[in-house]
Amino acid sequence: EVQLVESGGGLVQPGRSLRLSCAASGFTFDDYAMHWVRQAPGKGLEWVSGISWNSGSIGYADSVKGRFTISRDNAKNSLYLQMNSLRAEDTALYYCAKSPMVQGVIMDHFDYWGQGTLVTVSS
Amino acid sequence: AIQLTQSPSSLSASVGDRVTITCRASQGISSALAWYQQKPGKAPKLLIYDASSLESGVPSRFSGSGSGTDFTLTISSLQPEDFATYYCQQFNSYPPLTFGGGTKVEIK
Repeated sequence: EVQLVESGGGLVQPGRSLRLSCAASGFTFDDYAMHWVRQAPGKGLEWVSGISWNSGSIGYADSVKGRFTISRDNAKNSLYLQMNSLRAEDTALYYCAKSPMVQGVIMDHFDYWGQGTLVTVSS
Repeated sequence: AIQLTQSPSSLSASVGDRVTITCRASQGISSALAWYQQKPGKAPKLLIYDASSLESGVPSRFSGSGSGTDFTLTISSLQPEDFATYYCQQFNSYPPLTFGGGTKVEIK
């Protein structure tokens, strides 16, 4: 069974940093592109960042480019999101999501999602 | 960035009704479109990919159609467990991958 478990969320002041983690199990992690998607309270879904299976291709939404860094450790079956210079508008539930194609591109849909970790940016 | 416009933003329907949700792309995206269902407090769930392919385990009352700029998600006979918010997502152009604004299906 595919499982994606996010952690690392919490309350943080504007301008500070936070690192999210996503622990994956139930599939061969290093075969698949992975993503972070967020959802502000009461709002819709927003793709944040994606990384290919071998970290050779990485992309970001304009809203986070230069502030957030996605990475993965295939030996630990883990995905990360380093978030710097956090703003109030980054407040959201952050989901880790998997792409469905083996060694596929980042430009894809998402077949499995975690339950999310909540990030609140407030003074 | 490709924008996706869903309509309606919300609808009220009864159990057994046929429901259709539309997603329009700001430019052509071939068939690179997926549909998700999200219930309150839960993660989104994949229903349809490649515009019309049903994800494994998803009931056959869900179907998708369209290509280019106009797409539809149809629920042939609405069931109590189908009351949720539905999102479309394009994966033809990146970055960014983009979602529609969502359609909330409520009980009439």
